[in-house]
Amino acid sequence: GESVGLHLPTLSVQEGDNSIINCAYSNSASDYFIWYKQESGKGPQFIIDIRSNMDKRQGQRVTVLLNKTVKHLSLQIAATQPGDSAVYFCAPGPNRDDKIIFGKGTRLHILP
Amino acid sequence: DAGVIQSPRHEVTEMGQEVTLRCKPISGHNSLFWYRQTMMRGLELLIYFNNNVPIDDSGMPEDRFSAKMPNASFSTLKIQPSEPRDSAVYFCASSLGLADTGELFFGEGSRLTVL
Repeated sequence: GESVGLHLPTLSVQEGDNSIINCAYSNSASDYFIWYKQESGKGPQFIIDIRSNMDKRQGQRVTVLLNKTVKHLSLQIAATQPGDSAVYFCAPGPNRDDKIIFGKGTRLHILP
Repeated sequence: DAGVIQSPRHEVTEMGQEVTLRCKPISGHNSLFWYRQTMMRGLELLIYFNNNVPIDDSGMPEDRFSAKMPNASFSTLKIQPSEPRDSAVYFCASSLGLADTGELFFGEGSRLTVL
């Protein structure tokens, strides 16, 4: 099965700085990867995904980098804002069984 | 669109009681998922349905847990009898199908406390 791990359980970042959340995976057959954001008291919310044939994808203030050589991906958030405080999950895209397995997540804490 | 609707939002019950959690997926979505979230174990997939049919229930902890989806707009997760270790936030999520995208739409969760 897929193993998804996160390097840091908690990340503290100064407001206005850039944030980088890292994620490692073990199954090189994953076709794509997904990032979710979970704010306190809410369910996770889809942020962005990246296909395995890409090494970078940009969204609004977020950038996903994929390094297939070392099986690592990261989520970069530019100019971090208080509203970015949340737990961030990475997950491999659904396999043939159509299910998404999440890791434990990284908590992003914004310092004033 | 109202999004995925779960009820109750909070439930406190005593050990041994039956608990029923309810979920209304987004209209038109054909896949429905039940997840459980705890500090220790993170977000765990319990079971998921496609077109109202259970596809994979390998994440269901034990026979005390059961889930049904009698129609496309309603699902239940039942725990009988409940135990303190079942205390968690239970999320329901729905999607159009995951063939092309991993976008799940989650409800706001049902926080269960078993005393």
